[in-house]
Amino acid sequence: GENVEQHPSTLSVQEGDSAVIKCTYSDSASNYFPWYKQELGKGPQLIIDIRSNVGEKKDQRIAVTLNKTAKHFSLHITETQPEDSAVYFCAARGYTGTASKLTFGTGTRLQVTL
Amino acid sequence: KAGVTQTPRYLIKTRGQQVTLSCSPISGHRSVSWYQQTPGQGLQFLFEYFSETQRNKGNFPGRFSGRQFSNSRSEMNVSTLELGDSALYLCASSLRQGRSYNEQFFGPGTRLTVL
Repeated sequence: GENVEQHPSTLSVQEGDSAVIKCTYSDSASNYFPWYKQELGKGPQLIIDIRSNVGEKKDQRIAVTLNKTAKHFSLHITETQPEDSAVYFCAARGYTGTASKLTFGTGTRLQVTL
Repeated sequence: KAGVTQTPRYLIKTRGQQVTLSCSPISGHRSVSWYQQTPGQGLQFLFEYFSETQRNKGNFPGRFSGRQFSNSRSEMNVSTLELGDSALYLCASSLRQGRSYNEQFFGPGTRLTVL
């Protein structure tokens, strides 16, 4: 089955700096890669996703890049703000026959300091 | 449009009891997936339901079961609770199921504590 590794586990940046979180996946058939932000006491919130036929996608201060050959994808947050502080999860949609499921990374706790 | 709702938000049970959690997906969404989130194991896939049928299942014992109703609402049941079942149980809904590019939207979760 699919295996997703995520680094780093914790990341501290100063307000205004950029943050980068990296993930690798194992199943070359995976074709969908979402990123979720989870704040304390809440469920994960979808913030951006990318499909395997696209190399990069940007939404305001957030961007995701995908390298299918190397089987890794990254989340980039520019001009970080205190409200970006949360746990971020990457995920990959892998397949077993015709059934699919999202496999999640272990999460990155991002802290944006003033 | 209302998001995914889960009830109850918090539950405290004792070992050996059983529990039923409920999830109402986003209106129009027909697929519901359940996940268990713990500090040690992270987010683990339990199962997915679409059109009242279980379409996929994760590596959890048979004590974990679920079902989906004709209005797409879903329930999951855990029987003979163990201490290790203490977790945040998350429900996610999506429009479709399977190989399509399926955005999944999560509910706030049910925090289950087993004493």
